[in-house]
Amino acid sequence: NAGVTQTPKFQVLKTGQSMTLQCAQDMNHNSMYWYRQDPGMGLRLIYYSASEGTTDKGEVPNGYNVSRLNKREFSLRLESAAPSQTSVYFCASSGEGSGGPGRAYEQYFGPGTRLTVT
Amino acid sequence: AQSVTQLDSHVSVSEGTPVLLRCNYSSSYSPSLFWYVQHPNKGLQLLLKYTSAATLVKGINGFEAEFKKSETSFHLTKPSAHMSDAAEYFCVVSDRDSSYKLIFGSGTRLLVRP
Repeated sequence: NAGVTQTPKFQVLKTGQSMTLQCAQDMNHNSMYWYRQDPGMGLRLIYYSASEGTTDKGEVPNGYNVSRLNKREFSLRLESAAPSQTSVYFCASSGEGSGGPGRAYEQYFGPGTRLTVT
Repeated sequence: AQSVTQLDSHVSVSEGTPVLLRCNYSSSYSPSLFWYVQHPNKGLQLLLKYTSAATLVKGINGFEAEFKKSETSFHLTKPSAHMSDAAEYFCVVSDRDSSYKLIFGSGTRLLVRP
């Protein structure tokens, strides 16, 4: 049981290049998330997928796209990377459904992808 | 809007002494609350969670937190710090209007001195 896995672990891009970050979970979770972590700012939600076939914007979606490929996999794409997207990216998943508004279930995180855009 | 404030960006303790990491949340309802720990260059690991059952919540590695609605606080404590506790700790609150969104504090870095 690997939990949440992410690839790659590290990536360096030049401004304007594109790339896709991959995420997979083996916990049979319905919901999956992409966050970015910047110094002193905690984690900020980029996009999430409440269930297979649905995706929604989070707090900082500009410059990103996502695909929920199946129940296990949720990818994040940078179409034209910018230096402001230099960050550590975390994927997470959470259990079946939720407790309702205000009752989010705990999320389980992958090890992260450290992205530098020059 | 909901928010969560971690009152100290850095806390330094000696090994074997108590740990207190402070967290206040703003909310007009009783949210779900979590503490996560992040060791250097690692992902986040759930320490404990509060979901309206017992107000004193026990977590992994000897940590516990007490939910105090009157003070809107959810402070994290441990009786005796260990060197391996050195990490960044995040207090997290569930978003009132969403079943899925979490709101993260900015983090408290815990340093443990030998």
